[in-house]
Amino acid sequence: QVQLQESGPGLVKPSETLSLTCTVSGGSISSGSYYWSWIRQPAGKGLEWIGRIYTSGSTNYNPSLKSRVTISLDTSKNQFSLKLSSVTAADTAVYYCANVYSNFYYYMDVWGKGTTVTVSS
Amino acid sequence: DIVLTQSPGTLSLSPGDRATLSCRASQTISYNYLAWYQQKPGQAPRLLIYGASSRATGIPDRFSGSASGTDFTLTISRLEPEDFAVYYCQQYGSSPMYSFGQGTKLEIK
Repeated sequence: QVQLQESGPGLVKPSETLSLTCTVSGGSISSGSYYWSWIRQPAGKGLEWIGRIYTSGSTNYNPSLKSRVTISLDTSKNQFSLKLSSVTAADTAVYYCANVYSNFYYYMDVWGKGTTVTVSS
Repeated sequence: DIVLTQSPGTLSLSPGDRATLSCRASQTISYNYLAWYQQKPGQAPRLLIYGASSRATGIPDRFSGSASGTDFTLTISRLEPEDFAVYYCQQYGSSPMYSFGQGTKLEIK
């Protein structure tokens, strides 16, 4: 059973770069049917897709965040990472990683428990 | 951009009741590209339904999904206490590549 676990600083200063890592266990990040995604949720609000990466390294980002987002993959560690630059208080949220089944059907199959990131000086 | 509009915003029902949650897409989307999730307080979302009507592994058969045109419905046939949560629909396809509805809160009456 695949499991995902987010990790990274819980507090980031405004204008700095938010960096999170998602560690995948119980399965390979190189699995062909899955993309690997980041999603966030501000407190009390809905879900926002940030971006995804495939095992090949190809990426897709939400246009609303594209200029500030980088998602990368480390297959040797079975991890993928998120970097969000020039953060503001509006980036304060719970950040989730998820694997995204992408073969005829498209859905977020397994989610990490989430990690809270607060942007504050 | 495709917008998913969920209704109602809040649904107040009792255990044993039937719940009907709606998700309307602003444009036609493939039924294969519509999923439903359940989220309880302090937890990550959990996949319930994919392909508009297929139950995910381990999901009880009281949960069902259906579709007609741009209207998608999640039905819970007989509510259990653990079903009270927030429900989101999600689509794949248009920019942004994935988007969610704003959610329906199912609360105990």
